[in-house]
Amino acid sequence: SQTIHQWPATLVQPVGSPLSLECTVEGTSNPNLYWYRQAAGRGLQLLFYSVGIGQISSEVPQNLSASRPQDRQFILSSKKLLLSDSGFYLCAWMPLGGLPEAFFGQGTRLTVV
Amino acid sequence: AQSVTQPDIHITVSEGASLELRCNYSYGATPYLFWYVQSPGQGLQLLLKYFSGDTLVQGIKGFEAEFKRSQSSFNLRKPSVHWSDAAEYFCAVGAPETSYDKVIFGPGTSLSVIP
Repeated sequence: SQTIHQWPATLVQPVGSPLSLECTVEGTSNPNLYWYRQAAGRGLQLLFYSVGIGQISSEVPQNLSASRPQDRQFILSSKKLLLSDSGFYLCAWMPLGGLPEAFFGQGTRLTVV
Repeated sequence: AQSVTQPDIHITVSEGASLELRCNYSYGATPYLFWYVQSPGQGLQLLLKYFSGDTLVQGIKGFEAEFKRSQSSFNLRKPSVHWSDAAEYFCAVGAPETSYDKVIFGPGTSLSVIP
């Protein structure tokens, strides 16, 4: 069966520090991968998605970037965090070419102080 | 513009009462439709989905949803709410306009259940 791992679960970082959140999927090949952000009391905003290694689509201009160095690995990064980057970050995967049902990781709570 | 709306930001119901959470979308063709639930500090769990066929779909935990093309709606229902149903509920859409590669979420409805 397929599983998705996302870490760390919680992170507190100072303003101006770098960020790296990692997501890996097991039990499937060539998945579509996604990063969403959920600000307090708000819905999910799609940040990035990838349909293959090295292929990244950005949905909104921001202080973040994403990379997909391996088929089942998706990384969310920032060189310098802003206070506004605080939020709950969710990684998700979807089968390539299949029905668009998204499966989510447990999320990372990022607090920028 | 293409969007998913959930008109109710917060709903409070008594345990044992019925529940309906509203969802509307504005995509041209019939999209794929989903309802997810999120417990505090957790990821999202799929409750049910509609791709085609019978417009009334059954999901987990006793939930059901009905797709109404004429109203562009996909409302979630449960006949009798349990205290453990308190959570955030998200309607989501996968649409041909996005090649079905992206799932777009509504803003969510927070459900509180009182004894």
